[in-house]
Amino acid sequence: EIVLTQSPGTLSLSPGERATLSCRASQSVGIYSAWYQQKPGQAPRLLIYATSSRATGIPDRFSGSGSGTNFTLAITRLEPEDFAVYFCQQSGGSPPHHTFGQGTKLEI
Amino acid sequence: QVQLQESGPGLVKPSGTLSLTCAVSGGSISSNYWWSWVRQSPEKGLEWIGEIFHSGGTNTNPSLKSRVTMSVDKSKNQFSLNLSSVTAADTAVYYCARNSFYSQEYWGQGTLVTVSS
Repeated sequence: EIVLTQSPGTLSLSPGERATLSCRASQSVGIYSAWYQQKPGQAPRLLIYATSSRATGIPDRFSGSGSGTNFTLAITRLEPEDFAVYFCQQSGGSPPHHTFGQGTKLEI
Repeated sequence: QVQLQESGPGLVKPSGTLSLTCAVSGGSISSNYWWSWVRQSPEKGLEWIGEIFHSGGTNTNPSLKSRVTMSVDKSKNQFSLNLSSVTAADTAVYYCARNSFYSQEYWGQGTLVTVSS
């Protein structure tokens, strides 16, 4: 079973700054990593899929990178609406299986 | 734009079966996508439950496999989840979602299910 560890648990930044969120997997998962944003009372929203592809309607200040067991979500020029909880996800295995990280809270 | 809406009882008794349905609009459940169930609780965070294809093929979280049954109703453009032998640990917000590229692209709003007598 893949275990995902996100860091930091909480990230305190100001609008206009750059955020870097990390996700480490207990074993290599290929390219099937994704990132989600969740605001209180809402469902998660897909930001990044296949490690570095932005989902429909996601602004280009969001970018994903990584390989093997280490993945990163970067948010340049933070906007007020970006402050939320972010989850990473890895998918793979046989049979296919999806695993989520525990989340990083991005706060002002 | 695809929209998904979960429905089902908000309260289930311990040892009972949790049954939820996800109605799909703006797209066909017979299209070339997998359809997922995901739940979220403060204790466990986000947890993928399983996924189903319109042909009936399924993949399930190994930790829940013995208790999960999923099905598709093409005539109603919806899919369903049954989770048996529930305990308080199954109390969570349950989401349905449409997969794309090994991720969950479209999500329902979620429905809270509480397991309690």
